[in-house]
Amino acid sequence: KNQVEQSPQSLIILEGKNCTLQCNYTVSPFSNLRWYKQDTGRGPVSLTIMTFSENTKSNGRYTATLDADTKQSSLHITASQLSDSASYICVVSSSGTYKYIFGTGTRLKVLA
Amino acid sequence: DTAVSQTPKYLVTQMGNDKSIKCEQNLGHDTMYWYKQDSKKFLKIMFSYNNKELIINETVPNRFSPKSPDKAHLNLHINSLELGDSAVYFCASSQDSGGGRKSFFGPGTRLTVL
Repeated sequence: KNQVEQSPQSLIILEGKNCTLQCNYTVSPFSNLRWYKQDTGRGPVSLTIMTFSENTKSNGRYTATLDADTKQSSLHITASQLSDSASYICVVSSSGTYKYIFGTGTRLKVLA
Repeated sequence: DTAVSQTPKYLVTQMGNDKSIKCEQNLGHDTMYWYKQDSKKFLKIMFSYNNKELIINETVPNRFSPKSPDKAHLNLHINSLELGDSAVYFCASSQDSGGGRKSFFGPGTRLTVL
């Protein structure tokens, strides 16, 4: 069964600290993996998209990694800011079937 | 300059009513989507249209009917609304349907069925 699991479910950190969010998936065949940031009351915004051959991709203070062998991805946030408080959603798409499988998200709270 | 816009932003209605949500994108994208986000914040794709043709139709009740009059619009009509339809509905678009391009989401429509 195609599944995407994220951990932790929620996370609280102090401003300026780093954190890492995890995404494990069982989707097959794999096409790509995306990380989205969703602020409260708004639509998701794409952070990164990675295909099978990409191990890492950065977008400012956000760095995503992908291990296609172990089917794991992580999103590392460096020097967190208050504006990073949001839900982070991992989405894996399956090639040839147009399937998008969403994780349940990690809710991050950054405190001053 | 809004890339993906939805109307209305909020919709409160009685059970059994029929309602529509409209979506428009000005990005020139070929593919548009409807997603449902439930109270637990879980996002699930409902439909996808590529060049006005349906390419994804997940298991949703047939009370939900998408309509794409042209490439820039994908509307969602819901018949006989039920309490369980209460959710936030997001429209999105992307350059193509292959999955490799970034999707842009609208601001969402919060539907409350009483």
